[in-house]
Amino acid sequence: AQSVAQPEDQVNVAEGNPLTVKCTYSVSGNPYLFWYVQYPNRGLQFLLKYITGDNLVKGSYGFEAEFNKSQTSFHLKKPSALVSDSALYFCAVRVNYGGSQGNLIFGKGTKLSVKP
Amino acid sequence: GAGVSQSPRYKVAKRGQDVALRCDPISGHVSLFWYQQALGQGPEFLTYFQNEAQLDKSGLPSDRFFAERPEGSVSTLKIQRTQQEDSAVYLCASSSDRASGQPQHFGDGTRLSIL
Repeated sequence: AQSVAQPEDQVNVAEGNPLTVKCTYSVSGNPYLFWYVQYPNRGLQFLLKYITGDNLVKGSYGFEAEFNKSQTSFHLKKPSALVSDSALYFCAVRVNYGGSQGNLIFGKGTKLSVKP
Repeated sequence: GAGVSQSPRYKVAKRGQDVALRCDPISGHVSLFWYQQALGQGPEFLTYFQNEAQLDKSGLPSDRFFAERPEGSVSTLKIQRTQQEDSAVYLCASSSDRASGQPQHFGDGTRLSIL
């Protein structure tokens, strides 16, 4: 079965420091991976995706993610965190087979807190 | 509109009542998804439409849940005889093509509270 794990419920970072939000996945075949961000009382906003190609994917708001096939990971990163980055972050994997092909499976989410 | 629009944003209902939640997807988007997000959890898939056809309803938790998209644009998720465990945020998402890996774009959701 396909699944996504976000091992950290919360990540705390000081403003200006680099941040990493971890994600590991389990899929059959080649993975399609996504990161979304959710602000309070809002829907999910798309940040970036990995389909194929370069392992380092650049997305919105200065975020990037590194795809590592051997470690089955897709960690979200940003070189310098902002207080406004504080939000809930979700990693997702696309279902690759069967009648639900194309649907997304989400992790539980990681709360990022950036302190001034 | 420019994004996915959902209404109402908040809905409070008494246990046993029926509710209807509306989703207006991005214009031209063929694919439409409904998700349920429980407190402190990630969204979980409920059902999928390609145009007006409901191609996947494997995530609907019971036969009290029903969704439709009769003209291939606006969709309605209906929950009959609501129960307290139905309390959650219901998210709608649309994309240009489910199969290609295009990102899904989400609305702000409807927060449903069952008393």
